[in-house]
This record gives sequence, C-alpha cells and structure tokens, in this order.
Amino acid sequence: QIVVTQSPSASASLGASVKLTCTLSSGHSTYAIAWHQQQPEKGPRYLMKLNSDGSHIKGDGIPDRFSGSSSGAERYLTISSLQSEDEADYYCQTWGPGIQIFGGGTKLTVL
Amino acid sequence: EVQLVESGGGLVRPGGSLRLSCAASGFTFSGSEMNWVRQAPGKGLEWVSYISSSGGTIYYADSVKGRFTISRDNAKNSLYLQMNSVSAEDTAVYYCARNHNSCIDNWGQGTLVTVSS
Repeated sequence: QIVVTQSPSASASLGASVKLTCTLSSGHSTYAIAWHQQQPEKGPRYLMKLNSDGSHIKGDGIPDRFSGSSSGAERYLTISSLQSEDEADYYCQTWGPGIQIFGGGTKLTVL
Repeated sequence: EVQLVESGGGLVRPGGSLRLSCAASGFTFSGSEMNWVRQAPGKGLEWVSYISSSGGTIYYADSVKGRFTISRDNAKNSLYLQMNSVSAEDTAVYYCARNHNSCIDNWGQGTLVTVSS
C-alpha cells in the first residue's frame, strides 16, 4: 500500500526560498507525484506533476518560482522569492490503479 | 479553459441522502477520468471515488463503499455523486477533480455537505 508522508508545517521569510518534501513509502520510489496548493478558504490548485527523474509538468499559469525535483523516494517542491500569497497548504498526491493517495499536507507560513 | 462547477451540497440529516453534481466545460469530458475528493473541516484532502472516461470502471474509498455511488453522463458533460446513509463523518467540502495522465490536474471550487440533525 502506497503511503505519502509530508511534514505538517514549514516556514520561511518573505523573499526567501523554501523546499517542501514529500516521501513515498518503501517500494514506491519510482512513482510520480503531483503537488497541489490550497490557499486559505480556497479550493486546491494543481501546481505540477513531478516524475522520479525530476522532470515536471507545471499547470497553466504557475509561476517559474515554483519548481520540482526528486531524489530516491523523496519529491521536492521548491518555492523561490516567497510572496505572501504563497502562504498556503501544500499537498503531495500519488496514485495507484484507480485510486488517488494524498499526503497529510504541509502548512507553509511566510514570515 | 477547464471549468468544473459542483452543486447540490447542503444540510442533510444523519441517515439521509444527497446527490452532488459537477458540470464540466472547456475540455473533452467524455475522454477524461474523473474523481470526487473531499475535505472535512480543518482536515486534509481525502479521495472518495474514481470513474473512468466511459464509466465502465469505478473505485471507491473504503470509507464510502456501499453508501456512495459515482456516475457520469457524457452527453451532459456531468459527473455525479449519490450519497446515501450519510453520517457526521461525511461532513466535508466535496470537490470534483479531473485526471490527466493519471494525476489530478484540475479541481472544482467545491460544494459543502453538512450532516447534522
């Protein structure tokens, strides 16, 4: 069974960079994932699909400040030049045959 | 532009039923796999159900299996979720979400379902 693990919280200063981590369970290190952003009181927004080799496909209108990378079973979302509107919950998602699996989300605070 | 617009949420009593709808536009709905995903107040995202583009393959989360039914009408570009025997644990915002290359790449704005007596 695939499990996706995220740290509950992260923080970084305005204008700085932050790297969020999503960890796939043992035996699933080759799986692709997707990153989604959920700003306060809004629905989720797709950011990108991230493959195990680090290649990624971003959603329409997603700024270049958002990028993805991979290492082993870890999938990363890096946000550079942090802005106040980046303060949000970030969810990692992967999938199996017909099912979608979400991580618990990381709440990002922009200081 | 892809648009997914949910409707049908509201207040329902425990043990009652509700039917959610999702109107899709801006893409070839009949060629797209679809999901329902929910989010309880203050909680994370929880996948509920999946339906293939033709409707021939369907999956449910264990938490709703036997109570919820997903369906679609490709002629009407619409996705549905029939919710029966609801309980307080089903209180959540329900999102319609499109799959593309297996992952969710578009979300609706959500519809709130509140189960309370």
